[in-house]
Amino acid sequence: GDSVTQMEGPVTLSEEAFLTINCTYTATGYPSLFWYVQYPGEGLQLLLKATKADDKGSNKGFEATYRKETTSFHLEKGSVQVSDSAVYFCATGGSGGSNYKLTFGKGTLLTVNP
Amino acid sequence: NAGVMQNPRHLVRRRGQEARLRCSPMKGHSHVYWYRQLPEEGLKFMVYLQKENIIDESGMPKERFSAEFPKEGPSILRIQQVVRGDSAAYFCASSPRDPSRGASEQFFGPGTRLTVL
Repeated sequence: GDSVTQMEGPVTLSEEAFLTINCTYTATGYPSLFWYVQYPGEGLQLLLKATKADDKGSNKGFEATYRKETTSFHLEKGSVQVSDSAVYFCATGGSGGSNYKLTFGKGTLLTVNP
Repeated sequence: NAGVMQNPRHLVRRRGQEARLRCSPMKGHSHVYWYRQLPEEGLKFMVYLQKENIIDESGMPKERFSAEFPKEGPSILRIQQVVRGDSAAYFCASSPRDPSRGASEQFFGPGTRLTVL
């Protein structure tokens, strides 16, 4: 079945630092790729997504590019803020008829200090 | 606009008891998904339901677990005769349209943290 491997945390950065959280996946077919964010005490929120190779998803200064050749979807942000502190999950959507079946990585805890 | 609601947020049960977890999808959403997050693991798909129908339960343990989404009221995930290994966070998500028409964003609730003593 599908699997997602993402960078283990925790990750601690100073404000305005550059962020990269690595994510690689194994899947059959051509799944959609997602990054979700979970703030303390809240549910997961979709941060960005990409549905085909070379697509770039972006939102709130975060970006990730669907790299089919390296089966990766690394999350980046040029300048993090304290408010970005959260747990970040990389996920794949199933292919074809099971595209609703999301497969998640274990999550990466990001702490941004002022 | 209320998001996906789950209750209770925290649930403590002793071994052998039953746990009932509730999920109210976002208004207008008729597709519900349940995921489980074991300690140190990512979320794992359990079941996909539409109103009064189980569409895909391939991620549900074969015994003790059941799910429903009745015509009226919330979706219920029921765990009978809980064991310590059932301790986890259970997340519910909903989406507005049939995923066979293309991948649709899933909106997640805050989760129910089940602890089995």
